[in-house]
Amino acid sequence: AQKVTQAQTEISVVEKEDVTLDCVYETRDTTYYLFWYKQPPSGELVFLIRRNSFDEQNEISGRYSWNFQKSTSSFNFTITASQVVDSAVYFCAPISRDSWGKFQFGAGTQVVVTP
Amino acid sequence: GAVVSQHPSWVICKSGTSVKIECRSLDFQATTMFWYRQFPKQSLMLMATSNEGSKATYEQGVEKDKFLINHASLTLSTLTVTSAHPEDSSFYICSARDLSGYSYEQYFGPGTRLTVT
Repeated sequence: AQKVTQAQTEISVVEKEDVTLDCVYETRDTTYYLFWYKQPPSGELVFLIRRNSFDEQNEISGRYSWNFQKSTSSFNFTITASQVVDSAVYFCAPISRDSWGKFQFGAGTQVVVTP
Repeated sequence: GAVVSQHPSWVICKSGTSVKIECRSLDFQATTMFWYRQFPKQSLMLMATSNEGSKATYEQGVEKDKFLINHASLTLSTLTVTSAHPEDSSFYICSARDLSGYSYEQYFGPGTRLTVT
């Protein structure tokens, strides 16, 4: 089973500022995947990124980037040059390869971007 | 990309009545689907795993007699909230995975907002 901690309840920024969301997880699995999802006010979950446990290469995709540190069990997510449309709740979720589909979502971080 | 739909998108019902929520995989087959529940300002919690052709498995603390799950085909799972009460008011989301690929991406439905009055 996994456990996820998203310590930041809410982050408020002004447009164009960068936002970094923290995620710390616990797992006993050797093979697992890490996800970030966005949930705008409409409620629908939007897939952002996925990372597997044996690939610690950090990447940038457009305005999104992530920092996966297996040694500290952290999977942080950054939005560069935030926009008002980025306002949403962001969830971090690890999933074991052996129990795929059974997400253990973190508590979520509310991001508020003001003009 | 793969699409999962839910019907209805929102429903209001009176206390004591039953409500059925459908989850469909529109362009792929899913032998397993998952049901999540999200109370206001809270995270998503896994309720149960829906298995095509067999009984659903429920997470600890979820009443199986209250939340009936039927997965009669490879593209449809239904969640019936029986004798609904105001405390069942929540956002219900299903998810499914396309078995034809090896991706671990999970396709979520758009959710159903249930309000019990």
